[in-house]
Amino acid sequence: LAKTTQPISMDSYEGQEVNITCSHNNIATNDYITWYQQFPSQGPRFIIQGYKTKVTNEVASLFIPADRKSSTLSLPRVSLSDTAVYYCLVGARMDSSYKLIFGSGTRLLVRP
Amino acid sequence: EPEVTQTPSHQVTQMGQEVILRCVPISNHLYFYWYRQILGQKVEFLVSFYNNEISEKSEIFDDQFSVERPDGSNFTLKIRSTKLEDSAMYFCASSEAGLAGKHTQYFGPGTRLTVL
Repeated sequence: LAKTTQPISMDSYEGQEVNITCSHNNIATNDYITWYQQFPSQGPRFIIQGYKTKVTNEVASLFIPADRKSSTLSLPRVSLSDTAVYYCLVGARMDSSYKLIFGSGTRLLVRP
Repeated sequence: EPEVTQTPSHQVTQMGQEVILRCVPISNHLYFYWYRQILGQKVEFLVSFYNNEISEKSEIFDDQFSVERPDGSNFTLKIRSTKLEDSAMYFCASSEAGLAGKHTQYFGPGTRLTVL
């Protein structure tokens, strides 16, 4: 399973764009990159998933360079409610299972 | 939008008692999971379940733990004899498939288990 490295914490201000980069040097050919968001005492919430290049949805963009050894989650114009922990996950299919290995995540604090 | 639901939201029990945590996964999903998160720590994988059997379990998931899909909708986690260190948030998750790219897991809101 590919190990991921991401900053422990980040600070931002309302209205700014936030980019959180994750390193995953040992990513395997079949691995997808998935980002989750977690608020205190709530379950992780799926944000976005990608395999290569760029993926965009209504809440975020995910940029993946050609070598796929890193990825960047981009949150446009953050608000106070985006204060949360963000997890980058890279997993491998193991037979019929797909367990997620969570790291410590990046604690994002959005200030007014 | 379909979602994973869990009951109860909070369970308080005495050490040594049995608890059953319940989950209703998203209806067309085939893979089910339990995770736990001790306060202030990482989310940890416990077990995955597919086709009515455990497909993988972690070292945390010892003989005190069991999972079951008693009917077509519920997915349960049972802890036979709770210990103080079982106090945590327990999250159920489900995914449509286990294949790369289709394995997005959707999590429930969690059950906070407090063992006294």
